[in-house]
Amino acid sequence: ETGVTQTPRHLVMGMTNKKSLKCEQHLGHNAMYWYKQSAKKPLELMFVYSLEERVENNSVPSRFSPECPNSSHLFLHLHTLQPEDSALYLCASSQETYPAGEAFFGQGTRLTVV
Amino acid sequence: DQQVKQNSPSLSVQEGRISILNCDYTNSMFDYFLWYKKYPAEGPTFLISISSIKDKNEDGRFTVFLNKSAKHLSLHIVPSQPGDSAVYFCAASGKLIFGAGTRLAVHP
Repeated sequence: ETGVTQTPRHLVMGMTNKKSLKCEQHLGHNAMYWYKQSAKKPLELMFVYSLEERVENNSVPSRFSPECPNSSHLFLHLHTLQPEDSALYLCASSQETYPAGEAFFGQGTRLTVV
Repeated sequence: DQQVKQNSPSLSVQEGRISILNCDYTNSMFDYFLWYKKYPAEGPTFLISISSIKDKNEDGRFTVFLNKSAKHLSLHIVPSQPGDSAVYFCAASGKLIFGAGTRLAVHP
């Protein structure tokens, strides 16, 4: 058990679909993150939540909508995505946010937008 | 503007030799740095870290060096093993800002 679980592992969706990515952590951490990894690009920080409150939104388009109902769960709601949004989406958690310290990552959701 | 840069996208090393992965950063306010290792189809896993009050941290075969004046850090792996073949990311905290990664291939 990695401590951070992401579902689904793979997702193919059309540009008009609505889907959600789910992340769950069992580590008792206070901070959770969404990252996007595209080919040959740095891991891009998308959102940061601290104690269920969003503390960072890195100019992410509104077609990505995060939700953190409690400190153990984080969702990323997707709607009307574009093909260039195809990437590996990674969730992570850490004990605190600033500084973040060691973060634990899930295995990621490989998203393909067709 | 990338605040954390890994300028070498790939590195190939012979088994038993030293692997040196480099990372540069631009923000002098960063005070904690981490290295992560990533295998295909898995999330990154934490490898080693260093605080800005130190210039070296060692853990087994892995050593991270920090040169604050040059805003540069490096990860040394010695001896390198085939199982070390992966993508290595450096990250700076604050906000866990990652570099683009370096793909290390260790061949027999």
